[in-house]
Amino acid sequence: AQSVTQPDIHITVSEGASLELRCNYSYGATPYLFWYVQSPGQGLQLLLKYFSGDTLVQGIKGFEAEFKRSQSSFNLRKPSVHWSDAAEYFCAVGGMNYGGSQGNLIFGKGTKLSVKP
Amino acid sequence: IAGITQAPTSQILAAGRRMTLRCTQDMRHNAMYWYRQDLGLGLRLIHYSNTAGTTGKGEVPDGYSVSRANTDDFPLTLASAVPSQTSVYFCASSVGLAGYNEQFFGPGTRLTVL
Repeated sequence: AQSVTQPDIHITVSEGASLELRCNYSYGATPYLFWYVQSPGQGLQLLLKYFSGDTLVQGIKGFEAEFKRSQSSFNLRKPSVHWSDAAEYFCAVGGMNYGGSQGNLIFGKGTKLSVKP
Repeated sequence: IAGITQAPTSQILAAGRRMTLRCTQDMRHNAMYWYRQDLGLGLRLIHYSNTAGTTGKGEVPDGYSVSRANTDDFPLTLASAVPSQTSVYFCASSVGLAGYNEQFFGPGTRLTVL
């Protein structure tokens, strides 16, 4: 069955420090991978996505993610965190819809990012 | 362009009452979804719709029903609310149901069932 694991429930980093949020997936075929961000009290916004090709993808707000097939990972990175990056981050995996019960995206449980001044 | 709108923004509801959460999108997307978000559990899919006139069950469909009379609207109904349905509900849409499609999310409805 498809699944997404985000091992870190909560991470705190200092403003200006680098950031890496981990995501591991389980999927039988080539996955479609997404990172979404949710600011407090808001809906989810897409940061970036990976379908194929270059395994390092760039997104909005200075974020990037690297797909590593051998590790079944799609970790999100940012070289220098800003206070406005404090939010919850969700990794998701999508596959072709087979009319099953799970729709087309499976989300991880999220990682909450806090930023220290 | 509004994208996806949800109503109400928040609601407190007595157990046993019927409640419909509204969702409207103006992007002419074929696929629409309802998720609930609970602390520590992330987003879980309740129901989805591939196109107007068709719906499907997600991971946690019990106690909820949906309809898709047209492309734009996808209401979620709780026939008889229970406290375990206290949650934040998000509506989303995408061009199609295939897994490579980005989902666009509404702002959410915070529902409290007492």
